[in-house]
Amino acid sequence: NAGVTQTPKFRVLKTGQSMTLLCAQDMNHEYMYWYRQDPGMGLRLIHYSVGEGTTAKGEVPDGYNVSRLKKQNFLLGLESAAPSQTSVYFCASSYSSAAGTPYTIYFGEGSWLTVV
Amino acid sequence: DAKTTQPPSMDCAEGRAANLPCNHSTISGNEYVYWYRQIHSQGPQYIIHGLKNNETNEMASLIITEDRKSSTLILPHATLRDTAVYYCIVKAGTASKLTFGTGTRLQVTL
Repeated sequence: NAGVTQTPKFRVLKTGQSMTLLCAQDMNHEYMYWYRQDPGMGLRLIHYSVGEGTTAKGEVPDGYNVSRLKKQNFLLGLESAAPSQTSVYFCASSYSSAAGTPYTIYFGEGSWLTVV
Repeated sequence: DAKTTQPPSMDCAEGRAANLPCNHSTISGNEYVYWYRQIHSQGPQYIIHGLKNNETNEMASLIITEDRKSSTLILPHATLRDTAVYYCIVKAGTASKLTFGTGTRLQVTL
């Protein structure tokens, strides 16, 4: 059982380039998330999705776009990368909590992105 | 979601119990207390959660005070592999998001 898989794991971009991070989960989870973590800091939510075809902004959405065309995949796009987007990116997923059941959120292993 | 307060760092000798405190004085009645940990920039790992009662699983115990304004995560026999940043998070059962603070950096030493 792979759980939450992120690709690529490492990437170096030049300022202004674009790229897409892919997150895939095989647990049939409704909810998916993208977080970023800067050195010495906690995780901050970028965007999230509560179902296929729906997305919502988190704490730090500027400079990023997302898409959830398939239930198992959540894509994070950087249209014009900036050095401030150098960070570690974590994807996560969980079952729906709409009914109040406190399901666990599972995280991927991270994608290290450097923008020079 | 309610805010939490944790000490920035703690030390624990290997084999001893590690007791990690968390203050959540503004917690609401429908909010759960979750604990996650992050080992050296890996993805955060779920440890345990609770609402009112104390909880125990194979990893840890969670003690929640009767007024629910604070809690303690207990690792009964800490090992070097428990060295990590531990995050205490409060979240309503129906909420879709986890909000992370800066956590407690636990250093387990020989």
